[in-house]
Amino acid sequence: GQQLNQSPQSMFIQEGEDVSMNCTSSSIFNTWLWYKQDPGEGPVLLIALYKAGELTSNGRLTAQFGITRKDSFLNISASIPSDVGIYFCAGLLSGTYKYIFGTGTRLKVLA
Amino acid sequence: NAGVTQTPKFQVLKTGQSMTLQCAQDMNHNSMYWYRQDPGMGLRLIYYSASEGTTDKGEVPNGYNVSRLNKREFSLRLESAAPSQTSVYFCASSDGRRLAGNEQFFGPGTRLTVL
Repeated sequence: GQQLNQSPQSMFIQEGEDVSMNCTSSSIFNTWLWYKQDPGEGPVLLIALYKAGELTSNGRLTAQFGITRKDSFLNISASIPSDVGIYFCAGLLSGTYKYIFGTGTRLKVLA
Repeated sequence: NAGVTQTPKFQVLKTGQSMTLQCAQDMNHNSMYWYRQDPGMGLRLIYYSASEGTTDKGEVPNGYNVSRLNKREFSLRLESAAPSQTSVYFCASSDGRRLAGNEQFFGPGTRLTVL
């Protein structure tokens, strides 16, 4: 089935460092969503992107909708321990109601 | 405003048993979705309902049926549970009517174990 290529799969970083992750696909999307999931919980929406080239921030989080509409990036600045979790990207396939999800980036922050 | 709610939170079934997972949203959303999440994997779409009165298969529909009962509620049924259906099931909804309404919101999940 279709899935987005999300990288890295996991990362350990020091508190205060910046983090970058991305998702790529061969398909075109007209919406990109970024989620955070804590253990035992459902995914929580962090950022939504609607236009190619769009750059959107939510506090220390910044995400971009790639120009080709086939990729997206999420940056977290000055990471803190509560940033620990799994981050998922999701793209809404152009012309459909279907969302395709990445396999997730597991983030661990070392205090 | 509870968002998306799911019941039950946990369930254990024996192989061959049936059950229905319930989902409701109070955001007046048109579109609703069922996903499953397995360890180390992202979310895979089982079925979705773009609007009230319509349902469509997703990526992994085999062994499941759905009912869009009304605009608020979308249920997922396992007619004869199999161990391969052990998973965490998430319901989600989105406005679905316009470009800026494509944000999708998730429920807390149902953790299902089939023995």
